[in-house]
Amino acid sequence: NAGVTQTPKFRILKIGQSMTLQCTQDMNHNYMYWYRQDPGMGLKLIYYSVGAGITDKGEVPNGYNVSRSTTEDFPLRLELAAPSQTSVYFCASLRFLHVSSGNTIYFGEGSWLTVV
Amino acid sequence: SQELEQSPQSLIVQEGKNLTINCTSSKTLYGLYWYKQKYGEGLIFLMMLQKGGEEKSHEKITAKLDEKKQQSSLHITASQPSHAGIYLCGAVHNAGGTSYGKLTFGQGTILTVHP
Repeated sequence: NAGVTQTPKFRILKIGQSMTLQCTQDMNHNYMYWYRQDPGMGLKLIYYSVGAGITDKGEVPNGYNVSRSTTEDFPLRLELAAPSQTSVYFCASLRFLHVSSGNTIYFGEGSWLTVV
Repeated sequence: SQELEQSPQSLIVQEGKNLTINCTSSKTLYGLYWYKQKYGEGLIFLMMLQKGGEEKSHEKITAKLDEKKQQSSLHITASQPSHAGIYLCGAVHNAGGTSYGKLTFGQGTILTVHP
């Protein structure tokens, strides 16, 4: 199984450019998430989705947008890239049934983004 | 102050030694995840704890959640170079189902194991 797949792995953007980070999962997971990880810091939640057509903001949503048109895909859009968005981005997914059902959260391998 | 604090921030041990990493929360933990990350790679799921007093083990790694559900520890027995990496704890701080996955992470513990 592929699990959670992110593309691209590395990208350099110029200030003001736009791009989309792709995330797809093949585990039929209902919940999906985008996190960012800055050097020496833990991960912070950008956006999340509990199902197709449903998205919501996390802790640090400014400068980003998401959509969830299918169960499998959860792309993250950067509209006007800024140096503060230089970070490592992780997509994650979870098959949530109920609070006692194990709830393992799977992460992708990350996307390294540099804005110059 | 941080909602979730890990200690120590870094740890250097000799191969074969035991070690413990702590994760302390300022709020009740409804779930606590432990992940391992190698530099430049993604997060590898280790264990997830939910119940006060719960303990889980996998190979030489044991994680515990205290009775009050505000602290977790990760213990590695007889460490090996393969254990080296960054260990992250992630907390579920609300009871609702949609809270799962919306993790608050600690800043990570960098573990180095010398052969």
